[in-house]
Amino acid sequence: GAGVSQSPSNKVTEKGKDVELRCDPISGHTALYWYRQSLGQGLEFLIYFQGNSAPDKSGLPSDRFSAERTGGSVSTLTIQRTQQEDSAVYLCASSSQGGMSNQPQHFGDGTRLSIL
Amino acid sequence: AQSVTQLGSHVSVSEGALVLLRCNYSSSVPPYLFWYVQYPNQGLQLLLKYTSAATLVKGINGFEAEFKKSETSFHLTKPSAHMSDAAEYFCAVSDWGAQKLVFGQGTRLTINP
Repeated sequence: GAGVSQSPSNKVTEKGKDVELRCDPISGHTALYWYRQSLGQGLEFLIYFQGNSAPDKSGLPSDRFSAERTGGSVSTLTIQRTQQEDSAVYLCASSSQGGMSNQPQHFGDGTRLSIL
Repeated sequence: AQSVTQLGSHVSVSEGALVLLRCNYSSSVPPYLFWYVQYPNQGLQLLLKYTSAATLVKGINGFEAEFKKSETSFHLTKPSAHMSDAAEYFCAVSDWGAQKLVFGQGTRLTINP
């Protein structure tokens, strides 16, 4: 079956521009996560959506970062006024259950974001 | 908060040799533990998971991991390395109450012919 799909796969933009990253989770998965992978910081949690509950935004590094999930499916991560330190691979994952769960998270191939 | 430590950012073994990648977690209560593999320019693929049903967990591609509560460890092993095993490996733990995975820093595995 189809896995987690992310687009674009690569994005190059100028400092100060806004970017939108898209994630299509596995059909039927209620939990959706965004992570950031960078050389200096490893894999960092950004935000978590579970069904219709309020998202857990505790990992967002600044108010320039926001995310939404429409209709309980597709999610968009938006970075406003991009900075060079935002350069990283942004990974999306989905799971059939959220919370403290033994259900694994399934990852997309990520969006590689480069800020010039 | 939970933390995960992977000893050795780089591990190099010969083809056919034993692979041992180390992972220690910080919780005093057995959490859910996972090993993921990442090939270049790809996302993370689940190798195996520990869910308290059995302490020795078998995963894909011949990998297995043993949960040792007394040592707070969940080391990943494979009896005989193959060239296709070259990748980066991440140990992760489900974080109590925060509903996210906490990852170790990763171990890059190189296989020498």
